[in-house]
Order: sequence, then structure tokens, then C-alpha cells
Amino acid sequence: RKEVEQDPGPFNVPEGATVAFNCTYSNSASQSFFWYRQDCRKEPKLLMSVYSSGNEDGRFTAQLNRASQYISLLIRDSKLSDSATYLCVVTPFSGGYNKLIFGAGTRLAVHP
Amino acid sequence: EAGVAQSPRYKIIEKRQSVAFWCNPISGHATLYWYQQILGQGPKLLIQFQNNGVVDDSQLPKDRFSAERLKGVDSTLKIQPAKLEDSAVYLCASRHQGTGDADTQYFGPGTRLTVL
Repeated sequence: RKEVEQDPGPFNVPEGATVAFNCTYSNSASQSFFWYRQDCRKEPKLLMSVYSSGNEDGRFTAQLNRASQYISLLIRDSKLSDSATYLCVVTPFSGGYNKLIFGAGTRLAVHP
Repeated sequence: EAGVAQSPRYKIIEKRQSVAFWCNPISGHATLYWYQQILGQGPKLLIQFQNNGVVDDSQLPKDRFSAERLKGVDSTLKIQPAKLEDSAVYLCASRHQGTGDADTQYFGPGTRLTVL
């Protein structure tokens, strides 16, 4: 079983749509959680951290369910510029050092 | 602030040849990472340095891959000899904090390696 699993997509949605991505992780001791965004042929960039209480950044909302080992990302009012691959990332317990475990990513294509 | 620099950006070699990649992290960042990203997959950590010491190289294929960060700043990743399955983007990342909380990792643009 992969440490971090995501639906690969692609998700093809019209502008203005709401889209949700899901992610599960296998290590119950995982400490920190993130969503990264990766544009085509570019490097990954941090989109947002994910907190147990849930957190929002503009049109983006992230949720974490530790009991179910499940992370989600909701994008409201999708824009063309949101087209990218969204990577679910966890930090396992690794002796205090920050080590990122990436999912394979979910591709989003927003069309006019 | 300058970002993480990597070179070359692209490299094409034949199998069994050797190749080296270079990374210059953000100034002052003690932690440096090398990741391998195969097409259609997420990045996979190969090796992590804290200053010039190796913290984690558990997923580095040590029979052919090597990496060093001699002065705790720049780093090089070498593959010798290369195999077809080494075709991937090699990403370097750096982070300011040495331990503790999961501070942001900043990625370089990557080196796209094609092995023929």
C-alpha cells in the first residue's frame, strides 16, 4: 500500500465550479500535512498547510481527519489559473527531521 | 531573495554513462534535499542533508547514486552508471529550520534527465 494515495484524475471542470480532492495516508503517526501545487513542467510549491481544525485560504479549504487518516482540499469558484496537479503531502514521524512524503498528485483542468 | 538554483536544466545521456547535477540552496538554509520525480508520480526523497551531514539516504540506490554537500552549502548528485529507469526530474529543495516543525521546503526548477 502506498504511504499517500490520491485519485489521479484528471478532474475536468468548468470555470466557477467547486471541486474536491481526497487523499489518504497509511502512517497513523504522521505529524504534518500539506497540499502542494505543481504546474506543468514546474517545481512543486506549497499551497497550504492542513490543520486538524480545518483551515481556509481564500477559495481553498483544507480538512484533516486523523481518525480516518484522510485529507481533503476544496476549491470553490474555480479559475483557469487553478489548472495544475495538486499533491497531497505528509510528514511522518522521522526523529524530528522534516521529511515529505508525496502522493502521486491529482490533475485538475479548468476549462472556459 | 534568490531561490534554489539547479543546473543543468536538461540532460540527455545514454545508458551506462555518468551524469552529475548541481544544486545551490537558498542562502542560510541548513537542510537540503534531493528528490526524484518520475513522470506521473510525486517526488520521492533520495537523500537529505543537514549542513554537510547525511540525515536520510534510505531510498538512495547507493550502487549507482551518490551525493555530497562538502561545505554545507552547494550539493551534487551523481549517477554512475545510468539506467533507463533513471529518466526523471531531479529536484533539489532547501529548508531553513534544521529540526522540529515542518517548515516550508523550497524547490528548485529541477533537472530533467533522459536516459536513452
